[in-house]
Amino acid sequence: DIQMTQSPSLLSASVGDRVTINCKASQNINKYLNWYQQKLGEAPKLLIYNTNNLQTGIPSRFSGSGSGTDYTLTISSLQPEDFGTYFCFQHNSWPLTFGSGTKLEIK
Amino acid sequence: EVQLVESGGGLVQPGRSMKLSCAASGFTFSSFPMAWVRQAPTKGLEWVATISTSGGSTYYRDSVKGRFTISRDNAKSTLYLQMNSLRSEDTATYYCTRAHWFAYWGQGTLVTVSS
Repeated sequence: DIQMTQSPSLLSASVGDRVTINCKASQNINKYLNWYQQKLGEAPKLLIYNTNNLQTGIPSRFSGSGSGTDYTLTISSLQPEDFGTYFCFQHNSWPLTFGSGTKLEIK
Repeated sequence: EVQLVESGGGLVQPGRSMKLSCAASGFTFSSFPMAWVRQAPTKGLEWVATISTSGGSTYYRDSVKGRFTISRDNAKSTLYLQMNSLRSEDTATYYCTRAHWFAYWGQGTLVTVSS
């Protein structure tokens, strides 16, 4: 199974900060990496698919990058509504696997 | 607008069965693979199963193989998850998702396995 190691697990940042969340796969996932935001009691919301493709309706302050085993989600200027838990997800190989999540708190 | 609406969750005793449904609308259901993803209370997300467009190919995580069956009825635009021999560790909110880029998710249905 491909292990997805996500870091940090907890992140506290201020409005306007540039924020990065990392995900490291235990083997090459060929850029089949998605990023989701989840708020309490809600379904996950897709932000980025296949490493760097912004989902329709998602603000351009969200971006993704990476290749091989290392991937990054960047929020260029943090907004109050960006709080929540962020998950990475590889859909390259069975079984499909998620990172353990990054809880983003707004200072 | 793409909509996925899960139903069928609830409280069930260990060892018993339960069948979840997901009604899809707003897209051509038969053209997309579909999947189930679950999330135990206060835990992370866990992929459960995926089914191809025709239903001819299915994929499962090891912990549910032989116990869960994913299926679909393209005429009814509905996805199913038959869960047998349920265990306490199957307690979770189960989400239905369109498996093309996993962009669209339902609101989830809670399954609680407890005596």
